[in-house]
Amino acid sequence: NAGVTQTPKFRILKIGQSMTLQCAQDMNHNYMYWYRQDPGMGLKLIYYSVGAGITDKGEVPNGYNVSRSTTEDFPLRLELAAPSQTSVYFCASSYARPGLETSTDTQYFGPGTRLTVL
Amino acid sequence: GESVGLHLPTLSVQEGDNSIINCAYSNSASDYFIWYKQESGKGPQFIIDIRSNMDKRQGQRVTVLLNKTVKHLSLQIAATQPGDSAVYFCAETLRAGNNRKLIWGLGTSLAVNP
Repeated sequence: NAGVTQTPKFRILKIGQSMTLQCAQDMNHNYMYWYRQDPGMGLKLIYYSVGAGITDKGEVPNGYNVSRSTTEDFPLRLELAAPSQTSVYFCASSYARPGLETSTDTQYFGPGTRLTVL
Repeated sequence: GESVGLHLPTLSVQEGDNSIINCAYSNSASDYFIWYKQESGKGPQFIIDIRSNMDKRQGQRVTVLLNKTVKHLSLQIAATQPGDSAVYFCAETLRAGNNRKLIWGLGTSLAVNP
């Protein structure tokens, strides 16, 4: 298994541009997450999804959008990039048995995308 | 060596010494706790977890201790090696109605001196 993969690894954007960060997992996990991590700081949850077709906001969703059309893929869209969105973005996934309350147990992370907005 | 708190302190230890990384979690209703390790340029990686009905859990060279009375979690690393140099995050899982919410600490940077 490749686990959680993210593309691209690095990207530089100009203010106002848009882009999509790709995330895919091959572990058949139902939960997926997007985090951002600013230098020297912890993780902040942007959006998460409990299954295909279902997404919800996390702690810092403004300026981002997500979709979950398949179990495997969870792309993050940045519209009108701003310098404040300069950060490292991590995608993660986890598994919860259907019928149970939402799970935030062990998460598996991708290698991250380093984004700079100039 | 030992560190305290949820800000991002740096703990510096000598190779071969034991390390203790501390975490003061926020909610007494949290029932599941995880330690993650993040090496430079990589995503966080699961190390060890513990449920609230336990006080101690051991893994390979790592031990997690949970003190629910004072809402304190610690990660002990035995015979610290250079490969242990990383940022360590604690995370707590809080039950909120039908949902469970994961709350991340800010992390502690561990530097191992050869």
